Amino acid sequence: GAVVSQHPSWVICKSGTSVKIECRSLDFQATTMFWYRQFPKQSLMLMATSNEGSKATYEQGVEKDKFLINHASLTLSTLTVTSAHPEDSSFYICSGDGPNEKLFFGSGTQLSVL
Amino acid sequence: GDSVTQMEGPVTLSEEAFLTINCTYTATGYPSLFWYVQYPGEGLQLLLKATKADDKGSNKGFEATYRKETTSFHLEKGSVQVSDSAVYFCALNPYGGATNKLIFGTGTLLAVQP
Repeated sequence: GAVVSQHPSWVICKSGTSVKIECRSLDFQATTMFWYRQFPKQSLMLMATSNEGSKATYEQGVEKDKFLINHASLTLSTLTVTSAHPEDSSFYICSGDGPNEKLFFGSGTQLSVL
Repeated sequence: GDSVTQMEGPVTLSEEAFLTINCTYTATGYPSLFWYVQYPGEGLQLLLKATKADDKGSNKGFEATYRKETTSFHLEKGSVQVSDSAVYFCALNPYGGATNKLIFGTGTLLAVQP
């Protein structure tokens, strides 16, 4: 069935470095990809919505220059956290709209910035 | 704004116990309501949904009824199994459709002991 493969599952990086998270839709094409993040004990919050071939739409309070989203193809979307800082440490998860109007989620990436 | 509040976990139960995970919501329109489940190492999967008041969603022995008068969508299962151990997320779509943006709760970890 339809699956979204998200990598890496976890990453530890130094403050000031950039981290790229990849989401690939397997066996389906995702016209729209949603990126969420979850801080400890908080809700899973939508960061941005990206449509293939166009610029992402960011939610209020999310810095577009810090969280770069690329959705260049129907099967691949990437989120790059630029110049990561400890406050960016969070759980990031993607989802794509798939067959039968269902959403398919990646397994998430736990980012820890030292 | 629209929001979802669900009970904090973890919830620890013995096998065959009755499960209730509370979820209440705030929405200005007529949202659709969802329960998603995330098993260890996997992406969130849709467990069940309800699109209008008094609808009951059900799947794999789980049920939830869309209660407009109490703005609730509590998840229940009569007899849990060890394999039900997972994180459960309550969510709403303020626009009523199955895709588009979702607003999630914090997730509730369920641990079922043999």
